Amino acid sequence: AQSVTQLDSQVPVFEEAPVELRCNYSSSVSVYLFWYVQYPNQGLQLLLKYLSGSTLVKGINGFEAEFNKSQTSFHLRKPSVHISDTAEYFCAVSTTSNTGKLIFGQGTTLQVKP
Amino acid sequence: DGGITQSPKYLFRKEGQNVTLSCEQNLNHDAMYWYRQDPGQGLRLIYYSQIVNDFQKGDIAEGYSVSREKKESFPLTVTSAQKNPTAFYLCASTRDRGPYGYTFGSGTRLTVV
Repeated sequence: AQSVTQLDSQVPVFEEAPVELRCNYSSSVSVYLFWYVQYPNQGLQLLLKYLSGSTLVKGINGFEAEFNKSQTSFHLRKPSVHISDTAEYFCAVSTTSNTGKLIFGQGTTLQVKP
Repeated sequence: DGGITQSPKYLFRKEGQNVTLSCEQNLNHDAMYWYRQDPGQGLRLIYYSQIVNDFQKGDIAEGYSVSREKKESFPLTVTSAQKNPTAFYLCASTRDRGPYGYTFGSGTRLTVV
């Protein structure tokens, strides 16, 4: 079975500072990895995904993530955050067995302060 | 534009009542999912369907029921057997069983009064 752990429930950061949201996963088979963002009272929007190939994945809104197979991690980064990045972020994993189901982490709330 | 429509956005239920949450998609996606979101617990899978007239239980199916009579529609009924139904419910769909990620609806917030 697969599982996802987001290591921080809340991350406060000042505007224009860099940020890293941490995600670790557990799986005995190959995985696909995703990051989603959720603004208050809305659905989730896909930020980026890793399927194969380059371990550095670039997404929307200036975010990027790096897949590290040896450390089973998929941390999300942004070099300079804006107030508008304040939201909840979810890491998710699915397996290559083609079922399509996503397993989500508990979420990390990013609070960008002026 | 294609997307997923969830209705209503807010729903209030009296204890003992069944309520049905609507989820409609015009993306021609094969698979549809229902998740429940509670603060600090992430998203938990209730039910999913990968083909019309077929669906499977997720991790927290007790007290819920679904149907998939049309490809576009996947309604969720929250029954009176669900002891703690107050939550944010999200519907999602994906093209097929491949690694495409989900498209999400905007959610329904259900409150028991």
